[in-house]
Amino acid sequence: AQTVTQSQPEMSVQEAETVTLSCTYDTSESNYYLFWYKQPPSRQMILVIRQEAYKQQNATENRFSVNFQKAAKSFSLKISDSQLGDTAMYFCAFNQGAQKLVFGQGTRLTINP
Amino acid sequence: KAGVTQTPRYLIKTRGQQVTLSCSPISGHRSVSWYQQTPGQGLQFLFEYFSETQRNKGNFPGRFSGRQFSNSRSEMNVSTLELGDSALYLCASSLGSGRAQDTQYFGPGTRLTVL
Repeated sequence: AQTVTQSQPEMSVQEAETVTLSCTYDTSESNYYLFWYKQPPSRQMILVIRQEAYKQQNATENRFSVNFQKAAKSFSLKISDSQLGDTAMYFCAFNQGAQKLVFGQGTRLTINP
Repeated sequence: KAGVTQTPRYLIKTRGQQVTLSCSPISGHRSVSWYQQTPGQGLQFLFEYFSETQRNKGNFPGRFSGRQFSNSRSEMNVSTLELGDSALYLCASSLGSGRAQDTQYFGPGTRLTVL
């Protein structure tokens, strides 16, 4: 069975700092997608970034980028120039198809002013 | 384009009752997936519907069921509620190709409290 592990239950950084959230996963599949979702206190789950397993180039979306290490089955999220609005729970998720996302336990990120 | 909507946003029920939650997907999306989110178990996949058919199912008891209508709107039903069913129920919609790149977009959730 596929599993996703987020080893950092909580993190806290100052505004404008850079922070990296860790995620590892376990699968025997070769074709899959990885996602980072953000869930602010309002509870709406928002897609942050996604990465295709076949692409070696790391995905980037504005201040958000990933470090995808396929051999190590690692998929970390880097947030640059962090802002107060980045405060949220962040979930790493895996999808090999079948519309079934497998989520990690989440990392609660707090950005302090 | 309007996002995924879920109704109601909050529900309070008592043990033994049943409940129905509703989800309207993004226009053009044909797949609807349901997830249960609890502090202890995290986010767990319940089931997915595509073209009015359940295409995938998670590891939940038969008290949890769902359906999808011809306009892709979906409902999930929980019968004989238990205290442990208290959770945030999230609905997500996607195009429904069944391939891994199908990104799921989530609704705001329905907070169910069972007393």
